[in-house]
Amino acid sequence: SAVISQKPSRDICQRGTSLTIQCQVDSQVTMMFWYRQQPGQSLTLIATANQGSEATYESGFVIDKFPISRPNLTFSTLTVSNMSPEDSSIYLCSVEGAGGRRETQYFGPGTRLLVL
Amino acid sequence: DAKTTQPPSMDCAEGRAANLPCNHSTISGNEYVYWYRQIHSQGPQYIIHGLKNNETNEMASLIITEDRKSSTLILPHATLRDTAVYYCIVRVPLNQGGKLIFGQGTELSVKP
Repeated sequence: SAVISQKPSRDICQRGTSLTIQCQVDSQVTMMFWYRQQPGQSLTLIATANQGSEATYESGFVIDKFPISRPNLTFSTLTVSNMSPEDSSIYLCSVEGAGGRRETQYFGPGTRLLVL
Repeated sequence: DAKTTQPPSMDCAEGRAANLPCNHSTISGNEYVYWYRQIHSQGPQYIIHGLKNNETNEMASLIITEDRKSSTLILPHATLRDTAVYYCIVRVPLNQGGKLIFGQGTELSVKP
């Protein structure tokens, strides 16, 4: 499996500010994804991070609020912009295609965000 | 992607087999069955996946019925560390646009 790290692991932010979350994988992967897990809820897919092009967003998520970058095959960032308390969640990145395992997706440890 | 139905919670005695059911009656022929688990405050952990045949790995066994409308994840000797939320997900292959869409899962409590 892939080793995935996320930075920061947790943060407390003021409303109206933005936070950029980094996801780093120890090997090249085909696909990278970003999820949100609100308190007490299941995971919701935000977007697919595409290398060298704009991310593909799921219904209900927009680029202005959650800009995503993926400059290469091992790294991606998610920015949570103009934060409000409703953005308090765990944000997780996941990857697929690590080690040649095309149909298996692995998750990072998550970034715990609290917005005051 | 087809919808899945799982019981919201289950208990299991430590050392016994944990059998977690999943109903996916609308599954299509090219959709795989995946199982993940999420231990409190951690990222989801991949367990196993299969298409038609039963699968086994070091963590668990996946039993898929012949009509593929349901499946069971078996943890052969549950330990306290297996306490987690278990998610059953069906999806088409990634190269066909498949995504992992998480439902509410089954909260498994392994008790001493």
